[in-house]
Amino acid sequence: DTEVTQTPKHLVMGMTNKKSLKCEQHMGHRAMYWYKQKAKKPPELMFVYSYEKLSINESVPSRFSPECPNSSLLNLHLHALQPEDSALYLCASSQDTSFSGNTIYFGEGSWLTVV
Amino acid sequence: GQSLEQPSEVTAVEGAIVQINCTYQTSGFYGLSWYQQHDGGAPTFLSYNALDGLEETGRFSSFLSRSDSYGYLLLQELQMKDSASYFCAVRSLDSDKLIFGTGTRLQVFP
Repeated sequence: DTEVTQTPKHLVMGMTNKKSLKCEQHMGHRAMYWYKQKAKKPPELMFVYSYEKLSINESVPSRFSPECPNSSLLNLHLHALQPEDSALYLCASSQDTSFSGNTIYFGEGSWLTVV
Repeated sequence: GQSLEQPSEVTAVEGAIVQINCTYQTSGFYGLSWYQQHDGGAPTFLSYNALDGLEETGRFSSFLSRSDSYGYLLLQELQMKDSASYFCAVRSLDSDKLIFGTGTRLQVFP
């Protein structure tokens, strides 16, 4: 099983809503990541979790709040987002943060539209 | 910091060979990798160069020259399904980040 599963696939939310994106992997990976991707742009790193602890926050606004309940799950809590936050949010995992071979596995992403 | 530059778009016909370049400015990194992303899909790992030289994986090959700060992805016997975006990526020596290049959109025509 080399899958990273993300839910929901599509989400439309208002600027006053609170919602969450969820990510799950069962590969025994100990590093998990959130990336944001705008159309025709490369993925941009948001957060890195290593052994369930936040190791990197790329100066992401506090309206995005990550959570790693256990080694298989990664959430991204969303609150008071702006229309410019509309994007594809990609979750990824790797064996650990040294990810030998630079291989990380991405989920299909959650398409977020903020209205 | 790191920056990885790629051509924005490349076009080719089925059966042809195409090379996608990646030039980078980085203080140091573990290796150069390549990812493919179809429209609406997830990036998927294609290849990795830890050392200078050519790595071959089926129809795809990847090359790295650290002295020239340059790498490329070579796609042979192009197929329509190869139409996608391709990203080079590096992980720097001093962080847990995988940083992506600007991306190249490949369009393969019949």
